[in-house]
Amino acid sequence: QPVLTQSSSASVSLGSSVKLTCTLSSGHRSYIIAWHQQQPGKAPRYLMKLEDSGNYNKGSGVPDRFSGSSSGADRYLTISNLQFEDEADYYCETWDTNNRVFGGGTKLTVL
Amino acid sequence: EVHLVESGGDLVQPGGSLRLSCAASGFTFSNYGMHWVRQAPGKGLEYVSTISSTGGSTYYANSVKGRFTISRDNSNNMLYLQMGSLRTEDMAVYYCARDCSSAICYTDYWGQGTLVTVSS
Repeated sequence: QPVLTQSSSASVSLGSSVKLTCTLSSGHRSYIIAWHQQQPGKAPRYLMKLEDSGNYNKGSGVPDRFSGSSSGADRYLTISNLQFEDEADYYCETWDTNNRVFGGGTKLTVL
Repeated sequence: EVHLVESGGDLVQPGGSLRLSCAASGFTFSNYGMHWVRQAPGKGLEYVSTISSTGGSTYYANSVKGRFTISRDNSNNMLYLQMGSLRTEDMAVYYCARDCSSAICYTDYWGQGTLVTVSS
């Protein structure tokens, strides 16, 4: 079963950029993942699907400021020109035949 | 527009049972797999269960296997989670979520959640 590892928190200034990391466990480096955003007090929202090639497909209405990339077992979510509304928890998700797993989430604070 | 609306969350005693429902609209429900995902207070997302588009295949997290049952009614665009032998650690917001396809892939839409409280 795959395991996803995320940093617990990040703090970044308004208007700057941040790159969040989700790392796949050994033996699962080729897995596709999805990124989700959960703003305080709200339900999660799908952001994008991200392949090991670095190709990504965003969900409806996701701003251009959000992009994805990959390197080996690492999957990245980059947010540019950070806005206060980007302050949220970010989760990565992956799956195989019988399992679905989520990373522990990264709490992003916009200063 | 895809819409998922959960209901059925309530206060229940340990050992009790509860059935959650999810009403789906805005897409052809019978073409998509569906999931239940939960979030305990102050914690991250935890996978609970999946059902295939036809209902012919179901999957469960080890933590709920044997106690929870996922089902669906494609005629009425409804998803269900029957929860039994509830424990305090089952207390969480339960989200209904859509799979990206009829097979198994990523989650692409989420409901707003329904709160299950397990306490005596």
